[in-house]
Amino acid sequence: AQSVTQLDSQVPVFEEAPVELRCNYSSSVSVYLFWYVQYPNQGLQLLLKYLSGSTLVKGINGFEAEFNKSQTSFHLRKPSVHISDTAEYFCAVNDYKLSFGAGTTVTVRA
Amino acid sequence: KAGVTQTPRYLIKTRGQQVTLSCSPISGHRSVSWYQQTPGQGLQFLFEYFSETQRNKGNFPGRFSGRQFSNSRSEMNVSTLELGDSALYLCASSLGLALSSYNEQFFGPGTRLTVL
Repeated sequence: AQSVTQLDSQVPVFEEAPVELRCNYSSSVSVYLFWYVQYPNQGLQLLLKYLSGSTLVKGINGFEAEFNKSQTSFHLRKPSVHISDTAEYFCAVNDYKLSFGAGTTVTVRA
Repeated sequence: KAGVTQTPRYLIKTRGQQVTLSCSPISGHRSVSWYQQTPGQGLQFLFEYFSETQRNKGNFPGRFSGRQFSNSRSEMNVSTLELGDSALYLCASSLGLALSSYNEQFFGPGTRLTVL
């Protein structure tokens, strides 16, 4: 079974600063990776996904992630955050079902 | 196109009772998956239904069950509720089977279940 580890449980960041959320996965064979965002009192929304091809994946709201097979990582980045990016972010791997990391809470301060 | 809807949004039950949660997928989607979200265990997969058949199941006791109807709507039932069942229950729909990663899952807002 595959698993996902999100290395930071909480990330405070100032508005317009860059942010990086770290995600490592354990993998046997093929890897399909995802980042989801959950705003307060809402369900999950897909930010981006890596299925194959280019290791740099661009998603919605200015987010991007880089798949690194040798380091088994799939870190999420945004060059300049906004107050509205305050949310919980989940890294996930598809192993016949979505297996999620524990989540990273991002708090953007003015 | 309407998104995934879940009813009710909030529910309070007492130990020993049973509860039924409902999920209406996006029109045209045939797969419905259920997840439990708690502060302690995070997001955990419960089961997936496709064409009225359970296709995949997580590690939950038999008190958790589900079904899917011919219109793809799904219900989840929890019998003999325990305090630890308090959670946000999320439903997700996709065009095809979720195990195929090309089928993006779209999540509903969830049902917040509190067991007293």
